[in-house]
Amino acid sequence: AQSVTQLDSHVSVSEGTPVLLRCNYSSSYSPSLFWYVQHPNKGLQLLLKYTSAATLVKGINGFEAEFKKSETSFHLTKPSAHMSDAAEYFCVVSDLYGGSQGNLIFGKGTKLSVKP
Amino acid sequence: DVKVTQSSRYLVKRTGEKVFLECVQDMDHENMFWYRQDPGLGLRLIYFSYDVKMKEKGDIPEGYSVSREKKERFSLILESASTNQTSMYLCATSRTGESSGANVLTFGAGSRLTVL
Repeated sequence: AQSVTQLDSHVSVSEGTPVLLRCNYSSSYSPSLFWYVQHPNKGLQLLLKYTSAATLVKGINGFEAEFKKSETSFHLTKPSAHMSDAAEYFCVVSDLYGGSQGNLIFGKGTKLSVKP
Repeated sequence: DVKVTQSSRYLVKRTGEKVFLECVQDMDHENMFWYRQDPGLGLRLIYFSYDVKMKEKGDIPEGYSVSREKKERFSLILESASTNQTSMYLCATSRTGESSGANVLTFGAGSRLTVL
């Protein structure tokens, strides 16, 4: 069975400092992994995805994530936080690539606060 | 540039009322989903549909039904609303098939339902 754990429910950083949002997954097969971002009162938007190509994945707005199979992790990072990065971030795992569409598992989310 | 439209952003209903939440997409995606989002619980799948007139139960279908009469429209129905259905409801769509876009969800802005 697949599962995903976001290790922090809330992360607070200062503007201009690095961001690290942690995600661990469990999957029986080679997973697809995603990060989505949700700004207040908005729907979710795809930040980036991993689908068994390069292990370092670059996304929008300067975010990137590294797939580490040995650690079953897919942590999201950004070198320098901006005020506009304040949002909730969701890590998502999927076992079937292009198959059944009902098998996406969402983490519980990490709220990122950015202080001036 | 709106691609997934949820008809109501905010609704207030009374216990026992029948509630319809509408979702319309203009991307010609095969798959459509309804999630509910609650603080600390992340997103939970209610129902999904991979074709017109087809529907599949998600993780928490109890108290809900859905309708997909046309490819672009997916409706969520609460037959008799209850206070524990107060939540944010998110509609999402995706394409089918093994391609770089498969399994990527495009979300609507959400419908916040309050049941009194």
